[in-house]
Amino acid sequence: DGGITQSPKYLFRKEGQNVTLSCEQNLNHDAMYWYRQDPGQGLRLIYYSQIVNDFQKGDIAEGYSVSREKKESFPLTVTSAQKNPTAFYLCASSVGRNTEAFFGQGTRLTVV
Amino acid sequence: GESVGLHLPTLSVQEGDNSIINCAYSNSASDYFIWYKQESGKGPQFIIDIRSNMDKRQGQRVTVLLNKTVKHLSLQIAATQPGDSAVYFCADTNTGNQFYFGTGTSLTVIP
Repeated sequence: DGGITQSPKYLFRKEGQNVTLSCEQNLNHDAMYWYRQDPGQGLRLIYYSQIVNDFQKGDIAEGYSVSREKKESFPLTVTSAQKNPTAFYLCASSVGRNTEAFFGQGTRLTVV
Repeated sequence: GESVGLHLPTLSVQEGDNSIINCAYSNSASDYFIWYKQESGKGPQFIIDIRSNMDKRQGQRVTVLLNKTVKHLSLQIAATQPGDSAVYFCADTNTGNQFYFGTGTSLTVIP
């Protein structure tokens, strides 16, 4: 089955720790995205990548880092510099510009 | 930055009625628009899209209308069913390769 997979579904982190969220797609899509969603709010773009070995900051990149070493993988690291990391994180991919984005099922990160 | 908003945060409709969800966007350069449905605790699901060279597009029980003059789009759901209860988001893109999302409208279908 083709799709986009995020893991884990739930993640707990202690304050001051870095944590990495996984996102893998087997859709052969060039573009991948990370969004953050807070309760009752829309999706805000953290980072996006249009092609392997290239990525761009979104609107709320501070405290996050990404890599795109392989076409199918776009991991997101939430660093200790992110002051309010508790949120629902969504990864998406698309063929390219002006095509629909397919979303994973999300990772809910909680800082304890 | 980009601003995509929705007129109403919540909408309740009777089962079988038609639903209309509205969305306003601010960037006149936006050329592609998508509607997504998100159920609680899940990722958004694609419903329908429309490009700026069109003003109407129909799918199964859904219709999207685009009015570029007033920078407004709407999603119409015919014969709304309980399974349609969810949060609906509009999103747009312009010259970049980024999707900008509105804050969402929560649709509740009353049996």
